[in-house]
Amino acid sequence: EAQVTQNPRYLITVTGKKLTVTCSQNMNHEYMSWYRQDPGLGLRQIYYSMNVEVTDKGDVPEGYKVSRKEKRNFPLILESPSPNQTSLYFCASSLFSGASGELFFGEGSRLTVL
Amino acid sequence: AQTVTQSQPEMSVQEAETVTLSCTYDTSENNYYLFWYKQPPSRQMILVIRQEAYKQQNATENRFSVNFQKAAKSFSLKISDSQLGDTAMYFCAFMKPSNNAGNMLTFGGGTRLMVKP
Repeated sequence: EAQVTQNPRYLITVTGKKLTVTCSQNMNHEYMSWYRQDPGLGLRQIYYSMNVEVTDKGDVPEGYKVSRKEKRNFPLILESPSPNQTSLYFCASSLFSGASGELFFGEGSRLTVL
Repeated sequence: AQTVTQSQPEMSVQEAETVTLSCTYDTSENNYYLFWYKQPPSRQMILVIRQEAYKQQNATENRFSVNFQKAAKSFSLKISDSQLGDTAMYFCAFMKPSNNAGNMLTFGGGTRLMVKP
């Protein structure tokens, strides 16, 4: 089954404790991205990757890091989480960029930073 | 930069009736795509319908259709014969295709739709 898988689905952590949210897709997609969803703001892009070893900032990259060492994986790293990073996070992928390649979303990861 | 506005934070409709969700956007681009996504309580983001800006014909997917007014920068979603399973948050989204910047979607703030029995 074609899918985007995120882990963990739920996480409660404390300020400053490094965490990683993993994302993996099995569709051989070149393009992957991370979004955060906050009430009234919709989804906003954090980072994206056009292919292996190619990443770039989205609209709200502060406090986040990503890496793309393999085509299928695109982890989101919070080196020192803060309460304002409490949010619902989505990973998404598509076959290619530059066209209306449909974005496939993961099921979301709800992160709470105390 | 593009902006997407959904002016209706919440709406409700009776089962089997028709409801229209509003969306306006601001862009200087001529070539772009517009989407409606559905997010049920399961949180999954589900693509409902897509419209290419260069197409004059409004997109239709079964009970879902859009009214795309390019000059007015308006992209409303009409749901006919509403069903209880349509209860969800609906997001309007804009995408400008780019070979350099990827498929970034700009989302509106969402409209929470409740279908009442």
